[in-house]
Amino acid sequence: GDSVTQMEGPVTLSEEAFLTINCTYTATGYPSLFWYVQYPGEGLQLLLKATKADDKGSNKGFEATYRKETTSFHLEKGSVQVSDSAVYFCALRWANQGGKLIFGQGTELSVKP
Amino acid sequence: EADIYQTPRYLVIGTGKKITLECSQTMGHDKMYWYQQDPGMELHLIHYSYGVNSTEKGDLSSESTVSRIRTEHFPLTLESARPSHTSQYLCASSESAGVSTGELFFGEGSRLTVL
Repeated sequence: GDSVTQMEGPVTLSEEAFLTINCTYTATGYPSLFWYVQYPGEGLQLLLKATKADDKGSNKGFEATYRKETTSFHLEKGSVQVSDSAVYFCALRWANQGGKLIFGQGTELSVKP
Repeated sequence: EADIYQTPRYLVIGTGKKITLECSQTMGHDKMYWYQQDPGMELHLIHYSYGVNSTEKGDLSSESTVSRIRTEHFPLTLESARPSHTSQYLCASSESAGVSTGELFFGEGSRLTVL
């Protein structure tokens, strides 16, 4: 069945470091892809999305490009801040399945000053 | 800011008790979901609803039940709680027209501990 795999955490970086969180998916066809973020003590919120191959989603300095050839949607940020410390979830969604999201296992990011 | 609310935020109860986790949204969304988040952070869909009087089981088997009598309300009930039910439960909603946008709006979660 469909699945999403993320790099394992926790990831610990110093402030202003470059961030990459890898995400690959297994699915037949081309689902929509998402990154959600969960800050401590809060629910999830949408960070960015891409709905077709080669689309680039971006928000708050984060970017991810939908790569169908490698079935990947890696999250990147050029310079992280302490406030970016959170858990990041990659997810896919099929429009014809009523909008259910399939999540990766989450990657915890800790940014130190 | 999303208008979806969960209560209680934290609950500690004894084995065998009946509990109901409340979820309400004021956005008029048709679709609502319950996810269970285990200590390792993974999220598993346990229930969803496409509208009033519509409920379906999700990908992860759960002993909980849900109801959808009103559009804005999607409570989750455990008739007899056990320690294995200890987890965080996240409620979410999305609009029907939002199938292509993909955005789910999440509540802040209900953290349940069963002793």
